[in-house]
Amino acid sequence: EAAVTQSPRSKVAVTGGKVTLSCHQTNNHDYMYWYRQDTGHGLRLIHYSYVADSTEKGDIPDGYKASRPSQENFSLILELASLSQTAVYFCASSDGLGSSAETLYFGSGTRLTVL
Amino acid sequence: GQQVQQSPASLVLQEGENAELQCNFSSTATRLQWFYQHPGGRLVSLFYNPSGTKHTGRLTSTTVTNERRSSLHISSSQTTDSGTYFCAIDRASSSFSKLVFGQGTSLSVVP
Repeated sequence: EAAVTQSPRSKVAVTGGKVTLSCHQTNNHDYMYWYRQDTGHGLRLIHYSYVADSTEKGDIPDGYKASRPSQENFSLILELASLSQTAVYFCASSDGLGSSAETLYFGSGTRLTVL
Repeated sequence: GQQVQQSPASLVLQEGENAELQCNFSSTATRLQWFYQHPGGRLVSLFYNPSGTKHTGRLTSTTVTNERRSSLHISSSQTTDSGTYFCAIDRASSSFSKLVFGQGTSLSVVP
């Protein structure tokens, strides 16, 4: 079973503070993604990566940085957390090798509350 | 940009009833997927269904690409089917995914 592990599961941060969300996958997948979910809404793509040491901007990258130090690890960094960044954050991975492998495997999510 | 509209927004079923969830999208983009979100938050992929009909267990997905719509049929619903169902289209032309999600259908199956 493909595994994507996120940490922490939940976090409370203060406005203006720095927050780092971590994601680790044991799927040997090349592609990793960070999504954000706001209450009652679908997911929106923040950043993604298809190789270590390289990240790409998604649809809503403002206020977020990403880091992919290795194939297994992908972090999302909020340098100056703001109230509007309160949300649930999901990490996912995929191998992108063909139609049968388009499946994304998601972590359990990190619930971030910025006060 | 790409738009994905789902209906209904929410649905309550008696256990045993069938459900039909709809997804309409704004382009003929392929690589449509259906996801299920557990009440606890975890997301799992149900179908990768760019066109045609696919079945798994009590679930059937039908995508008609040129009509820009997809449906998810749940037969003989169970309380464990409760949760939120999302469809998403993939805008990427290469091997990675750049999904645009709909807002979801919240399903509640009551005994």
